[in-house]
Amino acid sequence: AQSVTQLDSQVPVFEEAPVELRCNYSSSVSVYLFWYVQYPNQGLQLLLKYLSGSTLVKGINGFEAEFNKSQTSFHLRKPSVHISDTAEYFCAVSDRNTDKLIFGTGTRLQVFP
Amino acid sequence: DGGITQSPKYLFRKEGQNVTLSCEQNLNHDAMYWYRQDPGQGLRLIYYSQIVNDFQKGDIAEGYSVSREKKESFPLTVTSAQKNPTAFYLCASSMTPPGGPDGELFFGEGSRLTVL
Repeated sequence: AQSVTQLDSQVPVFEEAPVELRCNYSSSVSVYLFWYVQYPNQGLQLLLKYLSGSTLVKGINGFEAEFNKSQTSFHLRKPSVHISDTAEYFCAVSDRNTDKLIFGTGTRLQVFP
Repeated sequence: DGGITQSPKYLFRKEGQNVTLSCEQNLNHDAMYWYRQDPGQGLRLIYYSQIVNDFQKGDIAEGYSVSREKKESFPLTVTSAQKNPTAFYLCASSMTPPGGPDGELFFGEGSRLTVL
C-alpha cells in the first residue's frame, strides 16, 4: 500500500532563511502529489500540486516543490521564509489505482524573528 | 463565497453521550470526507461518501456514524462507543475522488471535540 513519510516533525528556522520540508512516498506508480498548509486551529488549504508535466511545481506564498521520480520524493522549498509561514505542512499522495489520498504525519515549521 | 462550513467549532461532551458534528458545502462537490487529526498522527480517514445515499468506512470508522441524505451535507456522529473521541475533526470535499486530477480536497475549519 502507498505510504508517505515526512522525515522532520519540526523545522525551526530564522526569518528570511531558506527552508526545505522533506516528503518521500513509497511508490511512484500512478500518483498525484500535494502539499497542504494548516494554520493554527484551522483546516488545511492547498499549497501546490503535481499532476504531470514539469517536475518543478510553483504554489502559493512563494513555495515550490520538485517531483523526483527516481528518489520518490516531493520536497517543499521556499527561498526566504516569513514569520507568517509558521504553520503545519502536510504532504499527501493520491493513489490513482485505489482512489485514496494518503497524508504524511506533518511537519511543523516554526519561523523565528 | 463557496466553501465548507463546519459547526460547532468547539464542543464539550460528557462520557457516554453521542454528539453530531455538522458539515455543509456549497461547492457542488460529489465527494465528501471526515478526517480525525491528533497531534503527531496526521490525518486519519473516518468515513467518505462519493455520492448521495452512499458512504464507505475509512481507516478508523469504529465508534462513528455518518449519513448523506443531501449532496451538500455530511454530518458525523461520534457515538459513546468511540473510546477516545477527544480530537480535532475535519470535513472535506472534492469534485472527484482523490485518484483523479480534480481530486484536490477543500477543507472546513474544523471542529474541536473535548470529552470531559
